[in-house]
Amino acid sequence: ETGVTQSPTHLIKTRGQQVTLRCSSQSGHNTVSWYQQALGQGPQFIFQYYREEENGRGNFPPRFSGLQFPNYSSELNVNALELDDSALYLCASSLGSGVSTDTQYFGPGTRLTVL
Amino acid sequence: GDSVTQMEGPVTLSEEAFLTINCTYTATGYPSLFWYVQYPGEGLQLLLKATKADDKGSNKGFEATYRKETTSFHLEKGSVQVSDSAVYFCALRDDKIIFGKGTRLHILP
Repeated sequence: ETGVTQSPTHLIKTRGQQVTLRCSSQSGHNTVSWYQQALGQGPQFIFQYYREEENGRGNFPPRFSGLQFPNYSSELNVNALELDDSALYLCASSLGSGVSTDTQYFGPGTRLTVL
Repeated sequence: GDSVTQMEGPVTLSEEAFLTINCTYTATGYPSLFWYVQYPGEGLQLLLKATKADDKGSNKGFEATYRKETTSFHLEKGSVQVSDSAVYFCALRDDKIIFGKGTRLHILP
């Protein structure tokens, strides 16, 4: 059974650019969530996808968007990058529709630096 | 809205000491509660969870009890090891998961 994987590991972009981060869910999991973890802080919920549809969103602007594919892998897209977007981006997968008892399994994260 | 507050770190203890990391929450519903651990250079790993009041989660010698009356989920371990050095996050999940800011733990040999 493979765990959650993310790519790339590290990424450097400049302000105003666009970035796409990728996540492969744990085998059999149909729900994926994305989080932003700023340095020294806890992860902040960005959004969640269940069977290719967004079914929850945190307090992030529309320039943060996502996709979930039929194989349940996922992308996080961020447009018009800002310096404050520099963070560790975490993907987590779970089996279920987002109910509170679901256990989420996290990937190692993508470290994004915006210059 | 829902929130999680955990004790600020860093917490420094000697090996074999007793550990408590406090966590309290506010929630309008009936959330599940979690402790996650982040070892240096690694992603978040689920340490333990509890899904309803009075449940006790336990794993690797760590324990936490879901206390609805005090809205708390304190993490405890009777005898810590150097390998327990990490950042610990308390979290709740209702319609979405909300994390505390994390507590860095240093265990000295």
